[in-house]
Amino acid sequence: DAKTTQPNSMESNEEEPVHLPCNHSTISGTDYIHWYRQLPSQGPEYVIHGLTSNVNNRMASLAIAEDRKSSTLILHRATLRDAAVYYCILRDGANFGNEKLTFGTGTRLTIIP
Amino acid sequence: DAGVIQSPRHEVTEMGQEVTLRCKPISGHDYLFWYRQTMMRGLELLIYFNNNVPIDDSGMPEDRFSAKMPNASFSTLKIQPSEPRDSAVYFCASQQTIHQENTEAFFGQGTRLTVV
Repeated sequence: DAKTTQPNSMESNEEEPVHLPCNHSTISGTDYIHWYRQLPSQGPEYVIHGLTSNVNNRMASLAIAEDRKSSTLILHRATLRDAAVYYCILRDGANFGNEKLTFGTGTRLTIIP
Repeated sequence: DAGVIQSPRHEVTEMGQEVTLRCKPISGHDYLFWYRQTMMRGLELLIYFNNNVPIDDSGMPEDRFSAKMPNASFSTLKIQPSEPRDSAVYFCASQQTIHQENTEAFFGQGTRLTVV
């Protein structure tokens, strides 16, 4: 499985933007970049995903480097509810049998009031 | 839809007993995943199914663990006999498909298992 590298923890002030980085230098052409987050005492929840182009949804934005070896999850205005562990995951989108969603250690985001 | 439903939410059992965890995926979803989460090992994929057929069970820790999906709306994860090191939160997740744009996996609230 292609690996991702994320900082163990980050802090951000409430109501400010947050940029969560992820390195994935061994990404393959069929790997999608997925982000999930896990709030305390809950199951993981989907945040966003992309392949090559930057993506926006109601929760966040995903900026993907041109060589696809890194990406950044952007929370435009952090709230206390965004305190969670954020996981960056590579997932093969083309080959049957390689659909597993494999979680790393993620980044624990702390929001400071 | 009520989302992915897991039962029980909490289970405390004695070492050596059989434990059965249950999962009802979202209707219409083709994929079902079982995960285990501990502080030491994080979130580990145990097994996943496509159209009720197990595709990859390489994450199942040992023969004491077994998983079944008798139909599209129900799956079980069984541990027999249970051991204290099996204590963890077990998550079930389902997904409609992965080969199209809508590739979001939905997770249940988890079952917290404590083996004493």
